[in-house]
Amino acid sequence: AQKVTQAQTEISVVEKEDVTLDCVYETRDTTYYLFWYKQPPSGELVFLIRRNSFDEQNEISGRYSWNFQKSTSSFNFTITASQVVDSAVYFCALSESWGGANSKLTFGKGITLSVRP
Amino acid sequence: GAGVSQSPSNKVTEKGKDVELRCDPISGHTALYWYRQSLGQGLEFLIYFQGNSAPDKSGLPSDRFSAERTGGSVSTLTIQRTQQEDSAVYLCASSLEGQSNEQFFGPGTRLTVL
Repeated sequence: AQKVTQAQTEISVVEKEDVTLDCVYETRDTTYYLFWYKQPPSGELVFLIRRNSFDEQNEISGRYSWNFQKSTSSFNFTITASQVVDSAVYFCALSESWGGANSKLTFGKGITLSVRP
Repeated sequence: GAGVSQSPSNKVTEKGKDVELRCDPISGHTALYWYRQSLGQGLEFLIYFQGNSAPDKSGLPSDRFSAERTGGSVSTLTIQRTQQEDSAVYLCASSLEGQSNEQFFGPGTRLTVL
């Protein structure tokens, strides 16, 4: 069975600091998909990124970057120069299929990020 | 375009009553998921629908929970004889399967059982 662990529960930073959110996953499948979602105070889950297990290329998108390492089963997320609007709960998630029943997401417990002005 | 919508946004009910929660997925999305978000358990999968296939009910916590999806579109999650531990936010998501499996989430229904 798959499992996602987000060991950090709450992080507080001052605006403009960089912050890294950790995610460690477990799965027996050789093909799987990893996700990060953001849940702002409004409550709606917002998709941020998806990575396939066969694509370890790391990605940068604006102030966001992701570090996927199969060797350590980690999929970490970094926000550079954090802003107050980044304050939210961030969830890492895993699915074992592109479609079908195994496409359901298994979520970590989430990390509450607070960015102070 | 319109996203996933859910109704009601908030529902307060008394223990033992039945409740129905509704989800309208994004038009054309073939896959629909229900999840539950509670303080103790985090985000948990409940049930999955795909087209006309039999749903995957493996996440439903008890036989008091059921769901249906009519016409491949709108879905209703029903909780019978509600208990206080059913209090949670119920989230619906839809996706265009085969296309990245990006699941789009609705705003959720906050259920409070008194």
